[in-house]
Amino acid sequence: GQNIDQPTEMTATEGAIVQINCTYQTSGFNGLFWYQQHAGEAPTFLSYNVLDGLEEKGRFSSFLSRSKGYSYLLLKELQMKDSASYLCAVSDTGGFKTIFGAGTRLFVKA
Amino acid sequence: DAMVIQNPRYQVTQFGKPVTLSCSQTLNHNVMYWYQQKSSQAPKLLFHYYDKDFNNEADTPDNFQSRRPNTSFCFLDIRSPGLGDAAMYLCATSRVGGEADTQYFGPGTRLTVL
Repeated sequence: GQNIDQPTEMTATEGAIVQINCTYQTSGFNGLFWYQQHAGEAPTFLSYNVLDGLEEKGRFSSFLSRSKGYSYLLLKELQMKDSASYLCAVSDTGGFKTIFGAGTRLFVKA
Repeated sequence: DAMVIQNPRYQVTQFGKPVTLSCSQTLNHNVMYWYQQKSSQAPKLLFHYYDKDFNNEADTPDNFQSRRPNTSFCFLDIRSPGLGDAAMYLCATSRVGGEADTQYFGPGTRLTVL
């Protein structure tokens, strides 16, 4: 079956680093996305990985291991505004089917 | 700015009273999606259009219908809303292929069913 697992909640301190893990089992793979979703708002795109390795974008980095069905999102120099849900999503082959995880709610405390 | 717009942002309807949610985009993307998202859950894909081709998810209830009269607009019709249909409805668009599968979401319509 199709499944994406991520921790439900995490708490971290302002200025620190946090890693949000995601494991997936899908019938196909055409790339992995991370989206940020603030409460009551729509998801916004953060990162895309299709090859193994680390992609860095400013304070945010995302890692992918296809053989392990594993990804993580790394957030550095945490700010209060980073408090949000982070959704891991896999694009299935055959087009137009993106499977979303339930999201990890990150709380950043002072 | 190119964007995805949803109207209304908040919709209140009565049990069984039909409701239509609308979505428009200025991104000129081929694909438009409708998702249902309940609190602390993953967005659930209801259907998508690739240009005029309509694709219904197998588990989308018959109560939900969609129309895409042109590239820019897409509508979600809920024929007889039940209490379980109260949710955030998200419209998204994308191009096709690899990173182009990145979805751009509208702000959502929060539906309340009384």
